Amino acid sequence: GQQLNQSPQSMFIQEGEDVSMNCTSSSIFNTWLWYKQDPGEGPVLLIALYKAGELTSNGRLTAQFGITRKDSFLNISASIPSDVGIYFCAGRGAQKLVFGQGTRLTINP
Amino acid sequence: ETGVTQSPTHLIKTRGQQVTLRCSSQSGHNTVSWYQQALGQGPQFIFQYYREEENGRGNFPPRFSGLQFPNYSSELNVNALELDDSALYLCASSSRPTSGGPGTQYFGPGTRLLVL
Repeated sequence: GQQLNQSPQSMFIQEGEDVSMNCTSSSIFNTWLWYKQDPGEGPVLLIALYKAGELTSNGRLTAQFGITRKDSFLNISASIPSDVGIYFCAGRGAQKLVFGQGTRLTINP
Repeated sequence: ETGVTQSPTHLIKTRGQQVTLRCSSQSGHNTVSWYQQALGQGPQFIFQYYREEENGRGNFPPRFSGLQFPNYSSELNVNALELDDSALYLCASSSRPTSGGPGTQYFGPGTRLLVL
């Protein structure tokens, strides 16, 4: 079945550092989404990507949709403590979203 | 805040029991999807409801069933609970029907189910 692979699984960084994570798929998706999930909460949409090659920013977050439509990356610049959480990529298929396993971001003060 | 609400927030059941989880979709959204998120994993699609009918289902057994009501709210029912059903159950609403692919999905806070 469809599966997304996220890397890295976890990251430990210093406050102020830039972060980069990516997501690859064995299948083509027409839409890629990036969500952040805090403990005890549901995923919150950060960025949606609709076109191959598209580069989209949302504040300090930047995401790109790969040309092959099988991958995407998310960058966070100048990390701050509230960036801590689990970041999920998701590909939009028929009727459903297919999620990666998540990247857990921890920030050392 | 997405405007998607779920109840209850937490629930403890024993093996073999039945459970009903509830979701109210965001205003203007007519499609509700349910996901199961096991600890340390990404959400897994259970099924989707549009116009009060199931419209797409993931790899979950028939003891997982649902309903959608005329006001677009939804229920997830799980019969004969098993220990592995312990998870966070997420509801997501969107504004597009599934035939064109699910629109951007906005998630509720989830219901944490523990099966003992």
